[in-house]
Amino acid sequence: SYELTQPLSVSVALGQTARITCGGNNIGSKNVHWYQQKPGQAPVLVIYRDSNRPSGIPERFSGSNSGNTATLTISRVQAGDEADYYCQVWDSKAVFGGGTLLTVL
Amino acid sequence: EVQLVESGGGLVQPGGSLRLSCAASGFIFSSCEMNWVRQAPGKGLEWVSYISDSGRTIYYADSVKGRFTISRDNAKNSLYLQMNSLRAEDTAVYYCATATAPPFYYMDVWGKGTTVTVSS
Repeated sequence: SYELTQPLSVSVALGQTARITCGGNNIGSKNVHWYQQKPGQAPVLVIYRDSNRPSGIPERFSGSNSGNTATLTISRVQAGDEADYYCQVWDSKAVFGGGTLLTVL
Repeated sequence: EVQLVESGGGLVQPGGSLRLSCAASGFIFSSCEMNWVRQAPGKGLEWVSYISDSGRTIYYADSVKGRFTISRDNAKNSLYLQMNSLRAEDTAVYYCATATAPPFYYMDVWGKGTTVTVSS
């Protein structure tokens, strides 16, 4: 079955750029989506189809996907961006990565 | 306002059954694919099941196939998850969410979730 690999945690200083990776075999051939989940809340879609932002998501959030790695990039990180982030693809079923905790220093 | 509200969670013994419901409002439910996603305590997200707008196409995760049944009633703007033969590992918060059809398949509106605890 298809697997997605994310780092357990990423730390970034306030105002800097955070990059969260999602690894998978030839993931560049798939559509990758990203969700943000804050403690005690439901997930929120922040990027769909590799690089598209839903309405209401700040332009600071962007995505890319190529080869075996997809990346969620958050520019000018704010304290409110601290959350778990999950990547997701479809491979005969929906598959989520294990999640990455973004810590803002 | 687009809204999904889950209900039906609770405490159930291993081997028991539970039916979750998800009430939709603020959008044309009958035109939307839907799915269930769960999250065990302290764990990541796990996709459970998908149903097309008409109800004719359904998918399940291997972990629930044969035990869970997804259904919908478009006249009532409602999504359901019938869960039978429940196990301790089914303990989780269960979210309903709108979905786009495969292969794009992303979930853009989520409910707040309902908690299922399987324990004796």
